[in-house]
Amino acid sequence: QVHLQESGPGQVKPSETLSLTCTVSGDSSGDYYWSWIRQSPGKGLEWIGYICCGGTTNYNPSLRSRVTISQDTSKKQFSLQLASVSAADTAVYYCARGGRFGGVFMSTPATWGQGTLVTVSS
Amino acid sequence: DIQLTQSPSTLSASVGERITITCRASQSIDDWLAWFQQKPGRPPKLLIYKASTLDSGVPSRFTGSGSGTEFTLTISSLQPDDFATYYCQHGTFGQGTRVEIK
Repeated sequence: QVHLQESGPGQVKPSETLSLTCTVSGDSSGDYYWSWIRQSPGKGLEWIGYICCGGTTNYNPSLRSRVTISQDTSKKQFSLQLASVSAADTAVYYCARGGRFGGVFMSTPATWGQGTLVTVSS
Repeated sequence: DIQLTQSPSTLSASVGERITITCRASQSIDDWLAWFQQKPGRPPKLLIYKASTLDSGVPSRFTGSGSGTEFTLTISSLQPDDFATYYCQHGTFGQGTRVEIK
């Protein structure tokens, strides 16, 4: 049974870099897709990006210039960095693991962390 | 960039009713579409992947169908636990459909 837990500062100042870590207990194989998704208060879900397959990344085009997702398999962690934040980046940030269906690894987020609220404020 | 448009945004229904939510993609995505259910204060839960395959443990009253650009999620007989917000997803997410009690 895999479990994901997000961690990081709950508040970040405008123009600074938001940094979050997701710690995985259970199967943290690099064959899986490891995603970050966020949800602004009262709003819908926004896909940020994922890392998989030995370091391949794919980012939401609207965030691509500010996002970096990385992975440390030895620590069973993957991380999100979002640069130059503003109030619009205030959200609950979720990490998620893609599914393995019929032996095929997919990017579809199948297992989610509980989420962590990050507020951008001075 | 692929856009996903869900309809309706809000749906009022009673327990036992059959409901359908539609998700339209701005270009063909074959059957690479998932559906999620989210309740307040909780992370989303995967219901369906590859347009029509139920994830493990999801009740059979949930059905997904479609391919290309048009997809549907149907709940055959709405249960009290089903009142929630539903999202379609292909990388990006649809804007969500809130299912509320009539």
